[in-house]
Amino acid sequence: RKEVEQDPGPFNVPEGATVAFNCTYSNSASQSFFWYRQDCRKEPKLLMSVYSSGNEDGRFTAQLNRASQYISLLIRDSKLSDSATYLCVVISNDYKLSFGAGTTVTVRA
Amino acid sequence: EPEVTQTPSHQVTQMGQEVILRCVPISNHLYFYWYRQILGQKVEFLVSFYNNEISEKSEIFDDQFSVERPDGSNFTLKIRSTKLEDSAMYFCASSGGDRGRAGGSYNEQFFGPGTRLTVL
Repeated sequence: RKEVEQDPGPFNVPEGATVAFNCTYSNSASQSFFWYRQDCRKEPKLLMSVYSSGNEDGRFTAQLNRASQYISLLIRDSKLSDSATYLCVVISNDYKLSFGAGTTVTVRA
Repeated sequence: EPEVTQTPSHQVTQMGQEVILRCVPISNHLYFYWYRQILGQKVEFLVSFYNNEISEKSEIFDDQFSVERPDGSNFTLKIRSTKLEDSAMYFCASSGGDRGRAGGSYNEQFFGPGTRLTVL
């Protein structure tokens, strides 16, 4: 089983729609979780950390489900500029960092 | 806003040649990293560096790779004898963090724009 798995998508959604996707991780002792976004041929950019209680940043909401070992990202009121690949990053208890392969989101006008 | 910078943006080299990729991390950060991303594939961790020594490295980071912080600002990745399969985008990242806190050493890494390495 891969350490971090993501649905590659693509998720094609109209502007204004809500889109959500998950990332599962295999190491139950993982301790830190992040969502990054990556535009084509660009560097990953930190979108948000994921806290145990869940957290929201504007139109973005991140949740952590430790029992089922997944994190989620929900994007409300999608904008064209939200089109990107969203990378899940998980850090294990021994500080090993793993990236997921990414979920591609395409927002259409 | 402080940012991580990398040079060159694109490096073309012949197989077997040595290359040095350069990074200037964010100035008050303590932890430095190198990642690579082969075209169309996921980002892969190579190495982390703290307090002038390697703290973690992956299986990819074999003897042909080395890292150095030659002065107070630069952080370099050297590939001694490049192979075709080393062609990839190489990202440098840095983070602050307090190693005493859980996960602190890897909190919120900030990435440079990358160096695209092409090995011919």
